[in-house]
Amino acid sequence: AQSVTQLGSHVSVSEGALVLLRCNYSSSVPPYLFWYVQYPNQGLQLLLKYTSAATLVKGINDFEAEFKKSETSFHLTKPSAHMSDAAEYFCAVSVSGAGSYQLTFGKGTKLSVIP
Amino acid sequence: DAGVTQSPTHLIKTRGQQVTLRCSPKSGHDTVSWYQQALGQGPQFIFQYYEEEERQRGNFPDRFSGHQFPNYSSELNVNALLLGDSALYLCASSLEDGDFLYEQYFGPGTRLTVT
Repeated sequence: AQSVTQLGSHVSVSEGALVLLRCNYSSSVPPYLFWYVQYPNQGLQLLLKYTSAATLVKGINDFEAEFKKSETSFHLTKPSAHMSDAAEYFCAVSVSGAGSYQLTFGKGTKLSVIP
Repeated sequence: DAGVTQSPTHLIKTRGQQVTLRCSPKSGHDTVSWYQQALGQGPQFIFQYYEEEERQRGNFPDRFSGHQFPNYSSELNVNALLLGDSALYLCASSLEDGDFLYEQYFGPGTRLTVT
C-alpha cells in the first residue's frame, strides 16, 4: 500500500520569499505523484503531476517539484511567494496498474504568506 | 467547458437519516471517484465508478454506496448517518485510458453536517 507524509502542517513565509513544502512517499512500485491546492471552501485544483517522465516537473503559477527516488521525496517549491498563494496544499500518490486507481493524500500543509 | 459539478452545496441531516449526493463529471470524462475530507484532514478515497460498476473501494463501511449512470454522472448514498460522517464530500472525474490514471479533476464538494 502507498502512503504520503507531509512534513509541517503549517508553513509561514514572507511575501517574495521561497516556498518549500515537503512531501515524502512510500510505495512498493513506481508511483505517480501529484500536488493539489485547496482554497477555503473550495475543491482541489491540480498544481502539477509526476508520471515517470522528467523528474523536475513544472506546474501552474510558477510552482515546481522534483521527484527524488533515492529520497522518496516530491517537494514543492516556488521561487517567490505571493499573497494569493495562501491556501492548503496536498501531496498525493497513486500507482500504475490495474486495480490501483485511488489517490492517497497526505494530511496537508497550510501555507500562510506574510505581507 | 463545464468542470465537475456537485449538488447540493451544503446539507444538514440528523443522525440515522439517509443522504444522497450527486456529481456530474467534466465533459469527456468517464470515471468518477468519491472522497471524504474531514475537517483538518486530507481527502480519503471512498470508491471509484467506471462503466457503471464500482471498480475499487477504500476502507469505508457498506453504509456508503454509490451508483454511476449511463451519462457517467454519479451518486453517493450514505445510510444510517453518524456524527462522524460530517465532512466535505468531494467528487473527482478522470478519463480512463489503458493502464494510465490521468489526473483527477475535483468538484467544489458537498458539505454534509450531521446533527
